[in-house]
Amino acid sequence: EAGVAQSPRYKIIEKRQSVAFWCNPISGHATLYWYQQILGQGPKLLIQFQNNGVVDDSQLPKDRFSAERLKGVDSTLKIQPAKLEDSAVYLCASSSPGGRTPNTQYFGPGTRLTVL
Amino acid sequence: QKEVEQNSGPLSVPEGAIASLNCTYSDRVSQSFFWYRQYSGKSPELIMSIYSNGDKEDGRFTAQLNKASQYVSLLIRDSQPSDSATYLCAVNRAGFQKLVFGTGTRLLVSP
Repeated sequence: EAGVAQSPRYKIIEKRQSVAFWCNPISGHATLYWYQQILGQGPKLLIQFQNNGVVDDSQLPKDRFSAERLKGVDSTLKIQPAKLEDSAVYLCASSSPGGRTPNTQYFGPGTRLTVL
Repeated sequence: QKEVEQNSGPLSVPEGAIASLNCTYSDRVSQSFFWYRQYSGKSPELIMSIYSNGDKEDGRFTAQLNKASQYVSLLIRDSQPSDSATYLCAVNRAGFQKLVFGTGTRLLVSP
């Protein structure tokens, strides 16, 4: 079974530029999460999708961050404009309510963003 | 008070020893508890989950949960240098899939 896929793996941009990240969850996983992990901290949930609907985006800085999951499968997370403090690893995870490990979140490899 | 608290470490143990990692949480309605391992530069990988009070064993790993005291711990027996990583404790509330993570404890196992 293929895991969660993310791209790009690394991105370096200058402040005020825009950037987009892509995530493809494990096949059949209805729930998709985007996390931000700043160096030395645990992952922080930015947004959670159930199919193509938003379940929780309470910690998403909506003035600069946006995310979509139009067809209920893959998702994109965008930052526009980027700030220095957005430098972090952006992790995508997915889960399913059924199967051997219900609601267990599986993480992709992450995208390491550096804002200069 | 942070929702999920862990000692950042590093926790240093010799090879073959038992490593004990602890986590406390503030929300009494928390229902599910997870331990993830994260190697440097890698993404979190699930080690164990626990839902009921008591111990749960899986190979060299034992998770312990005490809801009355609001703590969860992870014991690693016969620690190996390959266990050196950051261990993240994560918690979610009943009815919610959202995970709240601690900052992680860095474990160093010396040969």
